[in-house]
Amino acid sequence: GAVVSQHPSWVICKSGTSVKIECRSLDFQATTMFWYRQFPKQSLMLMATSNEGSKATYEQGVEKDKFLINHASLTLSTLTVTSAHPEDSSFYICSASPTSGAYNEQFFGPGTRLTVL
Amino acid sequence: GENVEQHPSTLSVQEGDSAVIKCTYSDSASNYFPWYKQELGKGPQLIIDIRSNVGEKKDQRIAVTLNKTAKHFSLHITETQPEDSAVYFCASGENSGYALNFGKGTSLLVTP
Repeated sequence: GAVVSQHPSWVICKSGTSVKIECRSLDFQATTMFWYRQFPKQSLMLMATSNEGSKATYEQGVEKDKFLINHASLTLSTLTVTSAHPEDSSFYICSASPTSGAYNEQFFGPGTRLTVL
Repeated sequence: GENVEQHPSTLSVQEGDSAVIKCTYSDSASNYFPWYKQELGKGPQLIIDIRSNVGEKKDQRIAVTLNKTAKHFSLHITETQPEDSAVYFCASGENSGYALNFGKGTSLLVTP
């Protein structure tokens, strides 16, 4: 149980294009999902908290107009990197917190490797 | 905000030995302490967690201890195996729906 999927697992795009990454909780409902980015040999950096049916809460320094987050259902959140540039190349990981969880359990997806040329 | 410190940053042990990773936190409101294992190119995997009302929890070769007074918690891996080699992250959190605070990670290498 508690499986989270991400799609795609990797993507290469040209500078200036937009890329959408999907995060799905496969066997549980998640009112809250989180988006992280991770640089090589570093820890997870929280980008935003996504709540189903409401606007995402972005961390300081994260441009909300560049990283569009939509959480339209209890099992799906999407992150769209708009007008991507090489500096946006990174490993993007989502996590999902079960709606029924009493504590702050979070289960992570396998990550999406984004390379912007 | 919450600050989670994790030590050591790298740890090398021989197969069969034990490995211990320690974390400290600053927010006394934290009540949930998970540990994640991340293999290269993959997402973090929850391996064990502990709630603030428990001092110790064990799952086969993995155990976690929590000292709320001192605000520190530790991961213990016994009888290490090469497949235990990975980066381990500790985290702390409060209520459901809020983000976890992560340590910087420990790169564990288990040599045969």
